[in-house]
Amino acid sequence: QKEVEQNSGPLSVPEGAIASLNCTYSDRVSQSFFWYRQYSGKSPELIMSIYSNGDKEDGRFTAQLNKASQYVSLLIRDSQPSDSATYLCAVNEAAGNKLTFGGGTRVLVKP
Amino acid sequence: DAGVTQSPTHLIKTRGQQVTLRCSPKSGHDTVSWYQQALGQGPQFIFQYYEEEERQRGNFPDRFSGHQFPNYSSELNVNALLLGDSALYLCASSRTGNTIYFGEGSWLTVV
Repeated sequence: QKEVEQNSGPLSVPEGAIASLNCTYSDRVSQSFFWYRQYSGKSPELIMSIYSNGDKEDGRFTAQLNKASQYVSLLIRDSQPSDSATYLCAVNEAAGNKLTFGGGTRVLVKP
Repeated sequence: DAGVTQSPTHLIKTRGQQVTLRCSPKSGHDTVSWYQQALGQGPQFIFQYYEEEERQRGNFPDRFSGHQFPNYSSELNVNALLLGDSALYLCASSRTGNTIYFGEGSWLTVV
């Protein structure tokens, strides 16, 4: 059973601080990794994708991938109240566009 | 360019009934996947359609079935509804090997 694990939270961070989210996965052949943001009552929205080891930055978001340790993380810099949402880690297996999701980490940014 | 569209957005059904959910993929996308997201959990893969054939299937019973039409749109059918089928049903579209985009989802409540 392929698994993706996340801390459910809530992760409470003050406005302007860095939020750090972690995700581990069990399937070593996984090829691509995604972070989705999901506001309450809405569908997931893709915010970051990463395919190779190292860091990838996009605005206030940085994704980090370590395939040897089988983890992927997301940093949110200068956190804003609008970043309050559930963040879903998803892994795409080698064959086909099939995503396996973690349970999500709820982030609360307090003004 | 319209994104992934789903209908209906909300519906209420009675136990034992049948439901059909519909999805139109993003323009240029040929692969449609369906996910079920129960409250407080990450989305779970139901199945995927490509070239009008079911290509992959997750761990869901045969009560869940689908179809893809020549224009790449898709339907998800659930028979003999159970209370536990209450969830957000998400359609995702992609072109093989490329980014996966989600629709806004269909909220199903079974009473």
